[in-house]
Amino acid sequence: NAGVTQTPKFRILKIGQSMTLQCTQDMNHNYMYWYRQDPGMGLKLIYYSVGAGITDKGEVPNGYNVSRSTTEDFPLRLELAAPSQTSVYFCASSYSTSGQPQHFGDGTRLSIL
Amino acid sequence: KQEVTQIPAALSVPEGENLVLNCSFTDSAIYNLQWFRQDPGKGLTSLLLIQSSQREQTSGRLNASLDKSSGRSTLYIAASQPGDSATYLCAAANFGNEKLTFGTGTRLTIIP
Repeated sequence: NAGVTQTPKFRILKIGQSMTLQCTQDMNHNYMYWYRQDPGMGLKLIYYSVGAGITDKGEVPNGYNVSRSTTEDFPLRLELAAPSQTSVYFCASSYSTSGQPQHFGDGTRLSIL
Repeated sequence: KQEVTQIPAALSVPEGENLVLNCSFTDSAIYNLQWFRQDPGKGLTSLLLIQSSQREQTSGRLNASLDKSSGRSTLYIAASQPGDSATYLCAAANFGNEKLTFGTGTRLTIIP
């Protein structure tokens, strides 16, 4: 019963490097989300998707890109890593927004040095 | 813009006591309110979801209430146990969008 799977769990990047955070869900959920969580702060929405081929910006999208080619996968791309992107990143999914809870992965801890 | 506040940021309670966690929101036009639990180094686990038409939801020792008029939700935990130690977050979903606005959470420690 995998649910939402995120890889990698930890990563250290140098400033200016790029990387992709992977997220896969096996619950056939239409909606998928990317959040970042900084110490002492609530989760901030980066991007979300309401279905394959459809994505939209959240509250803090700058410096990130996403794609949604399949229902299962929703990767998050950092093109030019900056220290301000040091954070814990969570991927989540839900069947819909009408009364269905979001299911979260265990997160990716990313440090930019 | 919706803002969600959780006070206090941390709470310590002896084992066996009943306790209440608080969540306040500024925009009462919410679609639903969700309570989550987060263990250290882990993602969020959904505990309870209250629709805007509901006043409370119960699951085992947990009871969540919603008062839209006052902009408040509470999570009641009965007969607390050390395993309840975690950070509890609430999040509000407003009508017209698919986004959750999260509070910063209350870190709960149950003292054996």
